[in-house]
This record gives sequence, C-alpha cells and structure tokens, in this order.
Amino acid sequence: EAQVTQNPRYLITVTGKKLTVTCSQNMNHEYMSWYRQDPGLGLRQIYYSMNVEVTDKGDVPEGYKVSRKEKRNFPLILESPSPNQTSLYFCASTIVLGGNTGELFFGEGSRLTVL
Amino acid sequence: SQQGEEDPQALSIQEGENATMNCSYKTSINNLQWYRQNSGRGLVHLILIRSNEREKHSGRLRVTLDTSKKSSSLLITASRAADTASYFCATDGILNTGFQKLVFGTGTRLLVSP
Repeated sequence: EAQVTQNPRYLITVTGKKLTVTCSQNMNHEYMSWYRQDPGLGLRQIYYSMNVEVTDKGDVPEGYKVSRKEKRNFPLILESPSPNQTSLYFCASTIVLGGNTGELFFGEGSRLTVL
Repeated sequence: SQQGEEDPQALSIQEGENATMNCSYKTSINNLQWYRQNSGRGLVHLILIRSNEREKHSGRLRVTLDTSKKSSSLLITASRAADTASYFCATDGILNTGFQKLVFGTGTRLLVSP
C-alpha cells in the first residue's frame, strides 16, 4: 500500500529538548516536503527536497532542519524547540515528471506540543 | 505570497444539497489542486486542473478555473454526511515559486447534516 508514514503521531516536549519527526514514503518519490498547519493560517511549507541531498527552504524554515540522505526518508529536526513550534506537522511526497505538478501524498500528521 | 483564499470559511448544508467553495489566488499559476482534510487527518488529493483547462469533473466533483479572474470553484453535488471535511486549494506559481512550493489556502470547513 502506498504510504507516507510519520512518527511520532503525538508528542509533548519541553523547550530546548531536541527532537526529530521522521517521515518515510514507499512510493519512490523524488519530491518530499514538510508543512505545518496552524488555525487560521492553513498549511505553510517548512522545507522541501527535490531529491537525495537536495533540500531548500519553504516559507517558514526558521527553527527547523532537514536532511535527505535516502530517497525514502525526510526527517524534520527541531534542534531547540520553542512553544511557537507547537503545531500539527505534515510530511508529503510526490513524483516529479518533467517539472509538472503531481498530486501530493500526505502522512497522517504529527501533533507536537512544546511546553 | 500567492496564497489561495477560500470562500466561504465555513459552509453548512443539508444532505442532498450542492456545496460550492471558491478559491482566489494572486499570481499566475501552472496548476491548481483541491484537497480534502478530515478533522486532524492528512490531506487527500481530490482533483488537479491545469491553467489551460476551464473545467474538470471527477465523480460528484466539478472544478472550474478562470485564470482571468484568478479564481477556481469546487462544486460537490448531492452532498453526503461523509463529505463533511475541510477543503483546500493549492497553487503552484510560474514565476516566483514553481512546483516546488505548492501554496495552500486557509480552507473551507464544510458541514453536511443528515
């Protein structure tokens, strides 16, 4: 079954304690992206990756890091989480075909609370 | 930002009625997509319409695109309680953003009552 899997699904942590949210897809997609969703603000892109070792900033990258060492994995790293990073996070992936937009496949989300 | 803006923010209808949601955007686009999100869950792709298309159908969904007005509409016909969800439009820009930065609107919350 085609899937984008995120872990953990729920996490409560404290300010400054480093954490990683993992994302894995089994569809051999080149493109992967992280979004955060906040009430009234819709989904905002944090980082994206066009392929292995190719990453770039989205609209709200501050306080986040990513890596893309393997095609299937795209972890989101919060080196020193702060309360304003409390949010619902989504990972998504899609195939890249000649630069044309494909449908994004989303994970089920990771709800993060930073105290 | 060329973020899409959905209208209305919330819509409440009875089963069997049609639901229409609108999306406006600011700059030229390659494509526009519609997604659905059940409460707290991941988004699910519904339909993609390219900038050279004016209308597209998929089951009970009908999407229109008017590039001159920079707007799109999503029509759900004969709605069901199971259609209750939030609906988002997403656009990718030709100039400044491209496919890589698909930009989502803030969504329309649809409630379909039995």
